[in-house]
Amino acid sequence: AQSVTQLDSQVPVFEEAPVELRCNYSSSVSVYLFWYVQYPNQGLQLLLKYLSGSTLVKGINGFEAEFNKSQTSFHLRKPSVHISDTAEYFCAVSDVGYKLSFGAGTTVTVRA
Amino acid sequence: EAGVAQSPRYKIIEKRQSVAFWCNPISGHATLYWYQQILGQGPKLLIQFQNNGVVDDSQLPKDRFSAERLKGVDSTLKIQPAKLEDSAVYLCASSPSGDSQSYEQYFGPGTRLTVT
Repeated sequence: AQSVTQLDSQVPVFEEAPVELRCNYSSSVSVYLFWYVQYPNQGLQLLLKYLSGSTLVKGINGFEAEFNKSQTSFHLRKPSVHISDTAEYFCAVSDVGYKLSFGAGTTVTVRA
Repeated sequence: EAGVAQSPRYKIIEKRQSVAFWCNPISGHATLYWYQQILGQGPKLLIQFQNNGVVDDSQLPKDRFSAERLKGVDSTLKIQPAKLEDSAVYLCASSPSGDSQSYEQYFGPGTRLTVT
C-alpha cells in the first residue's frame, strides 16, 4: 500500500519569492505522482503529473516538480509566486488500479 | 467540454437524518470516484466505479453509506443515518479508461455537508 507525507502543513511566502512544497511517498511498486491545487470552495485541479520519462516535470501556472526515486520524493517548486497562488496543495500517488492516495495538504499563503 | 457536475453544493442536516449527493461525470469517462475530504485532511477514496460496476469500496462505511451508478453515467452517494463525523466535503471525480490518461482524475466542485 502506498502513502504520502507532505512535510509542511503551512507555508507563508512573500509575493515574487520562490516556494518549495515537500512531498515524500512510500510504495512497494512503481508509482505515478501528482500535484493538485485546491482554491477556496473549489474542487481539485491537476497542476502536474509524473508517469514516466524525464524526472523534471513542468505543469501549469509556472509550477514544476522533480521525481527522485532514491529519496522517494516529489517536491513542487515555483520560482516566483503570485497572490493568486494562495491555495491548498495536495501531493498524491497512484499505482495499479488508478486509485489516488493523497497527502494531508500544504496551505500556501502568499503575502504582498 | 463540461466538467464534473455535483449537487447540491452545500447541505446542512441534523444527525440521524439522511442525505444524498449527485454527480454527473465528464461525458465519456468510464471511471467515477467518490472521495470524502474532512477539514484539514486530504481526500480519502470512498468508492470507485468502472462503468456501472464497483471496482473498490473497501473504505466505504457500508452500514450507513451507499452509492450507485445506474447506466454507467450519473452517480448518487447516500448517507443514512448521518453522524456528526460525516461532516466533510464530498468530492466526485471521473477519468477516462484504457490508457495512461486514466491516471488523471477530474474533480467536481464538491458538496459541503454539515451535520449538526
